[in-house]
Amino acid sequence: NAGVTQTPKFQVLKTGQSMTLQCAQDMNHEYMSWYRQDPGMGLRLIHYSVGAGITDQGEVPNGYNVSRSTTEDFPLRLLSAAPSQTSVYFCASSADGFNYGYTFGSGTRLTVV
Amino acid sequence: DQQVKQNSPSLSVQEGRISILNCDYTNSMFDYFLWYKKYPAEGPTFLISISSIKDKNEDGRFTVFLNKSAKHLSLHIVPSQPGDSAVYFCAASVSSGGSNYKLTFGKGTLLTVNP
Repeated sequence: NAGVTQTPKFQVLKTGQSMTLQCAQDMNHEYMSWYRQDPGMGLRLIHYSVGAGITDQGEVPNGYNVSRSTTEDFPLRLLSAAPSQTSVYFCASSADGFNYGYTFGSGTRLTVV
Repeated sequence: DQQVKQNSPSLSVQEGRISILNCDYTNSMFDYFLWYKKYPAEGPTFLISISSIKDKNEDGRFTVFLNKSAKHLSLHIVPSQPGDSAVYFCAASVSSGGSNYKLTFGKGTLLTVNP
């Protein structure tokens, strides 16, 4: 049971480049979310999904797109990378968000130069 | 406006003693609270949660207390072990209206347990 798998683990981008952060879970969870963690800021919600075909914005959605074509996958797209998007990105999934909380991936450390 | 506050950036305790991590919230709509533990270079790990209908929840060495009138919760770890050294995040959500998937996190408290 792999849980939540994020790829890549590290990435360096140039300003203006685009890329997709991959997230896959094998627990058949309906809820999936993307968070970013910045120094001294805790984790902030970027986008979330409550099931295949359903997504919505979180607290800091600007500059990011998501889609959810399957239950398993929830990729995060950076359309035109900016230095302000340098961060550690975490994907998480949950069956209900309550009793067992969210299961997080190990993160993607992104640097935009 | 920070809705979930962990005012102590760090806490140091001796092995075997009690660790108490505190969390305050301002949004009175929050009715479900969770604690996560995070080691460096890893994702957060769910530790324990509590619903607002309770004032205490216990799981082994970990107990979470909720004081709704004060909008305050705390995580007690007894006894503390060196392996508990990590960053602890408090998180809150609103369970009604379909918002249970939106977690609001505090900034975290770095716990160091000294042997």
